[in-house]
Amino acid sequence: GAGVSQSPRYKVAKRGQDVALRCDPISGHVSLFWYQQALGQGPEFLTYFQNEAQLDKSGLPSDRFFAERPEGSVSTLKIQRTQQEDSAVYLCASSLGAGVGTDTQYFGPGTRLTVL
Amino acid sequence: SQQGEEDPQALSIQEGENATMNCSYKTSINNLQWYRQNSGRGLVHLILIRSNEREKHSGRLRVTLDTSKKSSSLLITASRAADTASYFCATASNAGNMLTFGGGTRLMVKP
Repeated sequence: GAGVSQSPRYKVAKRGQDVALRCDPISGHVSLFWYQQALGQGPEFLTYFQNEAQLDKSGLPSDRFFAERPEGSVSTLKIQRTQQEDSAVYLCASSLGAGVGTDTQYFGPGTRLTVL
Repeated sequence: SQQGEEDPQALSIQEGENATMNCSYKTSINNLQWYRQNSGRGLVHLILIRSNEREKHSGRLRVTLDTSKKSSSLLITASRAADTASYFCATASNAGNMLTFGGGTRLMVKP
């Protein structure tokens, strides 16, 4: 079946604009994760969903970042009033089970956000 | 902040040689995983080693884990040009659900 897909693949925003990034996980996967990857760095955890419940949002860097997964499938990461430091690749991953760390996480190709 | 560090940060070898990458981490773990990332692409899961395992093999990959030293190594044998990528270790704790990644090793395999 299809893997994790993300859209758009590239997004350029002017500072202060709001952006919305979409993630389509693998069908039937319970867990969904968002990570932020700065240039030349490893990914850093943002938030985690188990079905529609957001169980961990400890990695969100500010209250400008908001994520949702209303029907337990597609997820959207929204960034309000974007700043230059938000420029990064945003990766989405899903896993079959309840995400206790023993399940393989399958990653999407990412959305590269550039804030001018 | 990142859980740990990968060493070296960059590695350049000839096709056919072996490549060894090391990863250190800071806190206790449930398991450690290695991922590959080609330029501009997402991460591909390579191998998972649990905290009670010391060594694991998968094809040309060999992973070791030393929990007393909080370190792991990834060995790629008989490297190919197609192995050129960034390699990341990631740890999963018993407490959380997320993966905590290191900074990665950028491997270049010259044909």
